[in-house]
Amino acid sequence: NAGVTQTPKFHILKTGQSMTLQCAQDMNHGYMSWYRQDPGMGLRLIYYSAAAGTTDKEVPNGYNVSRLNTEDFPLRLVSAAPSQTSVYLCASSPTRQQNTGELFFGEGSRLTVL
Amino acid sequence: QKEVEQDPGPLSVPEGAIVSLNCTYSNSAFQYFMWYRQYSRKGPELLMYTYSSGNKEDGRFTAQVDKSSKYISLFIRDSQPSDSATYLCAMAGGGGSQGNLIFGKGTKLSVKP
Repeated sequence: NAGVTQTPKFHILKTGQSMTLQCAQDMNHGYMSWYRQDPGMGLRLIYYSAAAGTTDKEVPNGYNVSRLNTEDFPLRLVSAAPSQTSVYLCASSPTRQQNTGELFFGEGSRLTVL
Repeated sequence: QKEVEQDPGPLSVPEGAIVSLNCTYSNSAFQYFMWYRQYSRKGPELLMYTYSSGNKEDGRFTAQVDKSSKYISLFIRDSQPSDSATYLCAMAGGGGSQGNLIFGKGTKLSVKP
C-alpha cells in the first residue's frame, strides 16, 4: 500500500522558474492538503481541498493547485522565489463528518530556489 | 501570541529515561489534540490522538490534555534510541474545514544508548 506519494524528492530551480510538485494518494481520501516545513517555523498550511473539484488556500500568492480527481493534488510554483525554499509536505485524510484531524503525510519534496 | 507554542529543544536523554513533551495553546475552540512523530527526512506520522480533555495510553506513550490550562503533554516511558525523532503537537477545532490542523514547531528528541 503506497499511501501518499510525492515527487520529486529533491529539486533545485532558479528564481523566476516555475515547477509542479506532484502528490498522489491511493487511499480514496477526500481531503488533501499541502504544508511547507521550515526550520524554526513548524508546519504551515498552504492549500487544501475538501474533495475533488474544490480547493481553498491559506497562503495567498506564489502557489496554485488543482484537484481534478480524488487521487492527485499537484502544487504549482508559478514564479519561484528564494523565500519558497522549503520542504513541502502533502497530506490526505478520509472524509468524515467530524474533524478528527488525522492526516497521512508523504515523505516530502525538498525544494531549493537559487 | 502564537496559537500553539512548543519548546523546540533539542532534548537529549539517556536510554530508559521518562520523557515529557509539552505544548500550550491559546484557542479555546480546539477539541482535537494530536501528537505526530517525524523521523529525519520522512513525513510526520500520527502517534497519539485525544478528543477533548483526559488521558490516553498506548504502550509506552501517554497523552494528556488539560483544557482548563490549555496544556497538552506526551510522556514516553522507558525511552529507546528508536524514539529519537521530532515530536509535533497539533490541534484542531470542532468546526471549520476538516484537517486544518495547527501545528507546534516540534521538539527534537535524542535518546542516547
